[in-house]
Amino acid sequence: GESVGLHLPTLSVQEGDNSIINCAYSNSASDYFIWYKQESGKGPQFIIDIRSNMDKRQGQRVTVLLNKTVKHLSLQIAATQPGDSAVYFCAENAGGTSYGKLTFGQGTILTVHP
Amino acid sequence: NAGVTQTPKFQVLKTGQSMTLQCAQDMNHEYMSWYRQDPGMGLRLIHYSVGAGITDQGEVPNGYNVSRSTTEDFPLRLLSAAPSQTSVYFCASSYSQRGYTDTQYFGPGTRLTVL
Repeated sequence: GESVGLHLPTLSVQEGDNSIINCAYSNSASDYFIWYKQESGKGPQFIIDIRSNMDKRQGQRVTVLLNKTVKHLSLQIAATQPGDSAVYFCAENAGGTSYGKLTFGQGTILTVHP
Repeated sequence: NAGVTQTPKFQVLKTGQSMTLQCAQDMNHEYMSWYRQDPGMGLRLIHYSVGAGITDQGEVPNGYNVSRSTTEDFPLRLLSAAPSQTSVYFCASSYSQRGYTDTQYFGPGTRLTVL
């Protein structure tokens, strides 16, 4: 299989636990952030996004928190399920003339044990 | 809608060969882009297009060419393949809204090996 993730941060949780995946970004001009989930052999799948004028956004079982002061983004997954096992990427966009240019983080491997 | 489609799924090339990776979307998205993903790394932007006839370079454009003659299609060309281009390639598209970056939807990827 694909060797993506050999040196990525990992998070192992038990089924039913809550998961928190963290991401630090470097560009203070970034105004749009996205979390993607990537399963083995597939393309990234959109989970949730947040714009810089917000500090929290909730979806179904997922919450994204944005702390612009320390340039930190987190993804919280409630009641984690085995199907949540994947690599999770944060991505940022600086907007303006950087429209559409997403910069991706390294990724975090989430493993959920039944 | 089929979403974002990519062909081929797998490809093996010899050094110096050329080929085109195909990408198509049926969502009438204005914005399309190509990324490469290498082991242990996130995706890196190669080229992108904000509409038919308009393309621009991303973070790692060397060795790749693109064109956008239609809204639907955004092929990526490798002119002379090198082993450093061994990677998984993803195409993405999004609907352009003035002043905002929209969610990008990704294709299933093309796994390219250059020997």
